[in-house]
Amino acid sequence: AQKVTQAQTEISVVEKEDVTLDCVYETRDTTYYLFWYKQPPSGELVFLIRRNSFDEQNEISGRYSWNFQKSTSSFNFTITASQVVDSAVYFCALRYSSASKIIFGSGTRLSIRP
Amino acid sequence: EAGVVQSPRYKIIEKKQPVAFWCNPISGHNTLYWYLQNLGQGPELLIRYENEEAVDDSQLPKDRFSAERLKGVDSTLKIQPAELGDSAVYLCASSATNTGELFFGEGSRLTVL
Repeated sequence: AQKVTQAQTEISVVEKEDVTLDCVYETRDTTYYLFWYKQPPSGELVFLIRRNSFDEQNEISGRYSWNFQKSTSSFNFTITASQVVDSAVYFCALRYSSASKIIFGSGTRLSIRP
Repeated sequence: EAGVVQSPRYKIIEKKQPVAFWCNPISGHNTLYWYLQNLGQGPELLIRYENEEAVDDSQLPKDRFSAERLKGVDSTLKIQPAELGDSAVYLCASSATNTGELFFGEGSRLTVL
């Protein structure tokens, strides 16, 4: 089965705390792509990162970092020194090559309190 | 560069009425998607186009939903007749390649009374 699980429905932290959003995926394909999207209150999903299955290097972009581990089928997202503007719903997604289809997790609602 | 444009942003109709949503993708993007997003859930694919061809419509409820992308650019999604359970946000997205990231519009929020 092809599946994306975001077990954390809601997270609330105080500004400047670090926070990690978990994503566990399931696929039989050996070639696949993983994504993270941010959906602020305005509603438009904003692309954050794409990773292919052959690239397990972790990535850092400013306060954002991603930890891809094939051994545990996880693609976790960490925000360092969180800010109120980071408040949004974050979606992890999987594109598996056998169907060229992107499936999304159910999302994690992140609230950053001042 | 303009992003994905959708209209209308909001639509309120009574059940059994028809409704249509329009999407203009990013220029040059051959792949266009329609997704359905229910409250508190992730987007679910309804249909994917490669140019003007619908290559994946397995999740589209064809008894009441239809879509078209006649010239391989903008697209229309129609529901006729609408049911109460169709209340949701309808998202359009486009991508430049089949493996690339999706760029989303702001969505069309449908309320069926």
